[in-house]
Amino acid sequence: SYVLTQSPAVSVAPGKTARITCGGNNIESKSVSWYQQKPGQAPMLVIYYDTDRPSGIPERFSGSNSGNTATLTISRVEVGDEADFYCQVWDTSSLHPVFGGGTKLTVL
Amino acid sequence: VKLVESGGAVVQPGGSLRLSCTASGFTFSAYAMSWVRQAPGKGLEWVSGLSASDDETYYADSVKGRFTISRDNSKNTLYLQMNSLRPDDTAVYYCAKDVTGIVGAMGYFEFWGQGTLVPVSS
Repeated sequence: SYVLTQSPAVSVAPGKTARITCGGNNIESKSVSWYQQKPGQAPMLVIYYDTDRPSGIPERFSGSNSGNTATLTISRVEVGDEADFYCQVWDTSSLHPVFGGGTKLTVL
Repeated sequence: VKLVESGGAVVQPGGSLRLSCTASGFTFSAYAMSWVRQAPGKGLEWVSGLSASDDETYYADSVKGRFTISRDNSKNTLYLQMNSLRPDDTAVYYCAKDVTGIVGAMGYFEFWGQGTLVPVSS
């Protein structure tokens, strides 16, 4: 089945830019979604269709997808952005969604 | 939109449990739904999905033959019947709303419930 690979952790200072990557074979051919999960909370959709933001998600959150890597970029990072972030695609061969292992974003 | 899971409880290995997810704030019968679980300290794992019309079901290999997903559109409720439970089924179980009536048609989950914990332990 399709495998998504994420770095376990990313650290960034407040006000800087965080980039969280999601690797997969020819991932650019798939539609990537990103979820933010704060401690003790349910996951929340922050990016879908590679680059689109649901209503209510700040413009500081953006996404891109090219080649074998999709990227979630968070500009002007705030302490409140600390969370685990998961990428997700739909595996058309197995007909079910696949999640990356998650990246813990720490705001120093 | 609100999804409230219930039914989580401590269960012994080999036991059974039924989870419920009660929906409000949207037309439940128009949307596919899924169950996604998260073992303690681990990542997300999709478990099962069900179409809006209740005629198409999908399961992860890890639960196939043991878990059954169903829905009662008259009660705005999604269910997960879990049988032959194993310690590695221990997780928080979330229900998640699809974007259309077809499982995975748009490829993402637009809303999640808060989850219910299922510890499988003797």
